[in-house]
Amino acid sequence: GAGVSQSPRYKVAKRGQDVALRCDPISGHVSLFWYQQALGQGPEFLTYFQNEAQLDKSGLPSDRFFAERPEGSVSTLKIQRTQQEDSAVYLCASSLTPTRSEQYFGPGTRLTVT
Amino acid sequence: DQQVKQNSPSLSVQEGRISILNCDYTNSMFDYFLWYKKYPAEGPTFLISISSIKDKNEDGRFTVFLNKSAKHLSLHIVPSQPGDSAVYFCAVTLTGANSKLTFGKGITLSVRP
Repeated sequence: GAGVSQSPRYKVAKRGQDVALRCDPISGHVSLFWYQQALGQGPEFLTYFQNEAQLDKSGLPSDRFFAERPEGSVSTLKIQRTQQEDSAVYLCASSLTPTRSEQYFGPGTRLTVT
Repeated sequence: DQQVKQNSPSLSVQEGRISILNCDYTNSMFDYFLWYKKYPAEGPTFLISISSIKDKNEDGRFTVFLNKSAKHLSLHIVPSQPGDSAVYFCAVTLTGANSKLTFGKGITLSVRP
């Protein structure tokens, strides 16, 4: 399919472990966003890439969260020393150009920290 | 402080009738508004959007209405179908180089056969 894909779909981590979540955006999409969705809430913005440049990381909740998109396509969200409050669904979205507001979401990665 | 409010957590309607989902926002600077639909274990799917220069946008069974003075938008689904049962999120943004979306908490729509 030509949609946004994410892996893994489910991840269980023990508190203190590091995790890496992957996002493959739609081919050719310039903009890439990461969102965090807690149970019963709407998605909340974490960070934004335009090609390989991370232009906005204002939503990252702590310095344990780090994202990269080194070649302007695939992106990885890394969480170091996971805590229970990091348990959430992490959603990746892409859009064709920076000025197009319609974003297309992947299925998400459900992270559970025990 | 919530910038986007979807005050009704759930809505149940009969198949064939109209579903009206409401959304309020606080910041008049927002200029683009979107509705997303989400099924369990899937990501949100883009449904319909509207720019602040319009007050209505229609796509098949789905119509979005925008009332800028009231900072209110609504999604109408006519006629409602059982496959429309899902969580609906309202999202707002300020168009520009970083069109990050700000979402409401969502409304769970159930369409009864």
